[in-house]
Amino acid sequence: AQSVTQLDSQVPVFEEAPVELRCNYSSSVSVYLFWYVQYPNQGLQLLLKYLSGSTLVKGINGFEAEFNKSQTSFHLRKPSVHISDTAEYFCAVSVPGNQFYFGTGTSLTVIP
Amino acid sequence: DTAVSQTPKYLVTQMGNDKSIKCEQNLGHDTMYWYKQDSKKFLKIMFSYNNKELIINETVPNRFSPKSPDKAHLNLHINSLELGDSAVYFCASSQDRLARGTGELFFGEGSRLTVL
Repeated sequence: AQSVTQLDSQVPVFEEAPVELRCNYSSSVSVYLFWYVQYPNQGLQLLLKYLSGSTLVKGINGFEAEFNKSQTSFHLRKPSVHISDTAEYFCAVSVPGNQFYFGTGTSLTVIP
Repeated sequence: DTAVSQTPKYLVTQMGNDKSIKCEQNLGHDTMYWYKQDSKKFLKIMFSYNNKELIINETVPNRFSPKSPDKAHLNLHINSLELGDSAVYFCASSQDRLARGTGELFFGEGSRLTVL
């Protein structure tokens, strides 16, 4: 069985400060890893994904994430956040068969 | 051009009524999904179709019935609506011909259902 844990439900951070949103997963099979962002009253859109290769992946809007197989983690980072980054962030894993499992989300609030 | 479009965006209805939500994708993807997002933002898979064939059917009440007339469309019909059905319903699509799990999901903007 697969599961995704986002350890922080809410993360407040000041503008231009760095941020890390944590994600851990468990799975009995190999997984692929994704981060999605949901702006208020919108659908989810892909920030970045890890399929294979370099464990550090870069996404849109200056975000990056690092896959750590030994710690089964895929934490999302940004060195300097903007007000416009205020949103809900979801970590997800997918397995063969195109089944996706989502974490419970982290609400990032950027404080001016 | 919207890649995944859902209609309607908002539904407000009384308990016991029946309602439908339509979804269309113009990405040429083979797989489409319905997700339910509750008030705590938790996303739960409901159904998945691949080329009009049902492949994922999570534990969802029988009142929910998906229908895929072709691979570009996946509709959701809900009978005898209950208060607990209030949520945002998201349609999504992905392309992963070998079903390896590498295809990202493309989401619609959601349909907010409120049952009174």
